[in-house]
Amino acid sequence: KAGVTQTPRYLIKTRGQQVTLSCSPISGHRSVSWYQQTPGQGLQFLFEYFSETQRNKGNFPGRFSGRQFSNSRSEMNVSTLELGDSALYLCASSLGWAEAFFGQGTRLTVV
Amino acid sequence: QQQVKQSPQSLIVQKGGISIINCAYENTAFDYFPWYQQFPGKGPALLIAIRPDVSEKKEGRFTISFNKSAKQFSLHIMDSQPGDSATYFCAASPNTGNQFYFGTGTSLTVIP
Repeated sequence: KAGVTQTPRYLIKTRGQQVTLSCSPISGHRSVSWYQQTPGQGLQFLFEYFSETQRNKGNFPGRFSGRQFSNSRSEMNVSTLELGDSALYLCASSLGWAEAFFGQGTRLTVV
Repeated sequence: QQQVKQSPQSLIVQKGGISIINCAYENTAFDYFPWYQQFPGKGPALLIAIRPDVSEKKEGRFTISFNKSAKQFSLHIMDSQPGDSATYFCAASPNTGNQFYFGTGTSLTVIP
């Protein structure tokens, strides 16, 4: 069974640009959640989607948004990038609740 | 405010020894407590998890001890091996979805 797939693995963007990250969950999983990991703040929850609906939202500005498609694949978008958005963005999938499995992440660098 | 507090920040253990990592929480709505293991350049991998109706759960060399009244839980790694050298995160989640609050992580080094 394939794991959680995140693309791209690495990304370099310029301040002010926008970026879209993609996550393909484990087959059959309907929940996808997104996290930001930085050395200073650790792992912080961004949002969770379940059956195409946002079920939970973390404490991030509106520049961070996401969506989930009918096949459970999810995308997150960050607009007007800031230097502080440089981080490892992780996606986790789950059948419904608990037992969440993470992808390898997308390393975003904003210059 | 850190919802889950984790200690120690780093830990060095001899091969064959016991590694113990502790976490504490305040929110009584938390209903699921997983531990994740992360190697450099990789995403966190689910190691073991527990729910508050159980005081202990063991899987192989890994054991979670849970104290509901003290709002504390800990990970014990028995017979620690150099391959266990990684960063360990505790987490907690309410039963309203997969919104995990993570501890700050413990960097474990097992010396051969």
